[in-house]
Amino acid sequence: SQTIHQWPATLVQPVGSPLSLECTVEGTSNPNLYWYRQAAGRGLQLLFYSVGIGQISSEVPQNLSASRPQDRQFILSSKKLLLSDSGFYLCAWSPPEGKLFFGSGTQLSVL
Amino acid sequence: GESVGLHLPTLSVQEGDNSIINCAYSNSASDYFIWYKQESGKGPQFIIDIRSNMDKRQGQRVTVLLNKTVKHLSLQIAATQPGDSAVYFCAENHGSGNTGKLIFGQGTTLQVKP
Repeated sequence: SQTIHQWPATLVQPVGSPLSLECTVEGTSNPNLYWYRQAAGRGLQLLFYSVGIGQISSEVPQNLSASRPQDRQFILSSKKLLLSDSGFYLCAWSPPEGKLFFGSGTQLSVL
Repeated sequence: GESVGLHLPTLSVQEGDNSIINCAYSNSASDYFIWYKQESGKGPQFIIDIRSNMDKRQGQRVTVLLNKTVKHLSLQIAATQPGDSAVYFCAENHGSGNTGKLIFGQGTTLQVKP
């Protein structure tokens, strides 16, 4: 069966520091991969998605970037965090025409 | 503009009663809809999905109804249990062919009273 791993679960970072969140998927090959963000008490917003290694699509202009160095690895990064980057970040995967499965999320607090 | 919205931010029901959570969408091109359940501090869990060529789909204790005429989606939970307490999100894609590219509603909090 497929599993998705996302870490860390919580992260507190100062403004201006870099960020790296990692996500890996097991049990499938060539998945579509996604990064969503959820502000407190709000719905989810798609940030990035990838249909293959090195292929990244950005959905909203922002201070973050994403990379897919391997088939089942998706990384969310920032060179300098802003206060507004705080939120709950969720990695997800789907088969090309299937439903979306989410990881357990990372609660990021930028202070 | 494009939006997905739920009709009520909070729904309170008695244990054992049926729950109905509603959602409106605005994009006629959407051809895939999905409901998620999210417990506090966790990632959303898939509940049920439906494609636009259907108007009803049933799962275990859950039913999704799709009314394309009025762009309305609902989730029905039968015999609601305390474990059903969570935030429920509806989501749609816009016919992009990528069913993971979803537009989410703001969520409805379901509270189950014992």
